[in-house]
Amino acid sequence: AQSVTQPDIHITVSEGASLELRCNYSYGATPYLFWYVQSPGQGLQLLLKYFSGDTLVQGIKGFEAEFKRSQSSFNLRKPSVHWSDAAEYFCAVGSFGNEKLTFGTGTRLTIIP
Amino acid sequence: NAGVTQTPKFRVLKTGQSMTLLCAQDMNHEYMYWYRQDPGMGLRLIHYSVGEGTTAKGEVPDGYNVSRLKKQNFLLGLESAAPSQTSVYFCASRSSGNTIYFGEGSWLTVV
Repeated sequence: AQSVTQPDIHITVSEGASLELRCNYSYGATPYLFWYVQSPGQGLQLLLKYFSGDTLVQGIKGFEAEFKRSQSSFNLRKPSVHWSDAAEYFCAVGSFGNEKLTFGTGTRLTIIP
Repeated sequence: NAGVTQTPKFRVLKTGQSMTLLCAQDMNHEYMYWYRQDPGMGLRLIHYSVGEGTTAKGEVPDGYNVSRLKKQNFLLGLESAAPSQTSVYFCASRSSGNTIYFGEGSWLTVV
């Protein structure tokens, strides 16, 4: 069965500092991977997705993620965070031919001045 | 461009009451999903549908029923609500390009 692990429940970063959120997945087939962001009281917004090809994926709001098959990871990065990036971030994995998308438990990001 | 719309947004139920959450999408997607979100547990799949007239169980289907009579609508029913069903419910639909679009959520409290 497919699974996703986000090992960091809560991360605090200073505004302007760099950010990396970790995501590890487990799936036997070739996965496709997503990062979503959720602001308080809101739904989930897609940041970026990886299906195939270039392993470094660019998303919205200046985020990027790198797919590393050897490490079963899909970590999210941003070179300089803004106060508006404070939110909860979810990694998700699925695969072609599988109807279901599996989510990690999320990482809450706090930004300090 | 409405995308995925959920109603109601907020609801308080008494234990044992029934209710239906409605999800509507205007993107002509085949696949639709109902998730629940609880603190520290991420999103868990309740039921899903791969097309009009079809439904299937997800990870946590007990206590819920669903119907997909029309392609654009996916209904989630609670026949006899329990406090354990207090949660935020998200509907989603999936494009042919495998991107999933979420509604804004429905906050349900069972007292």
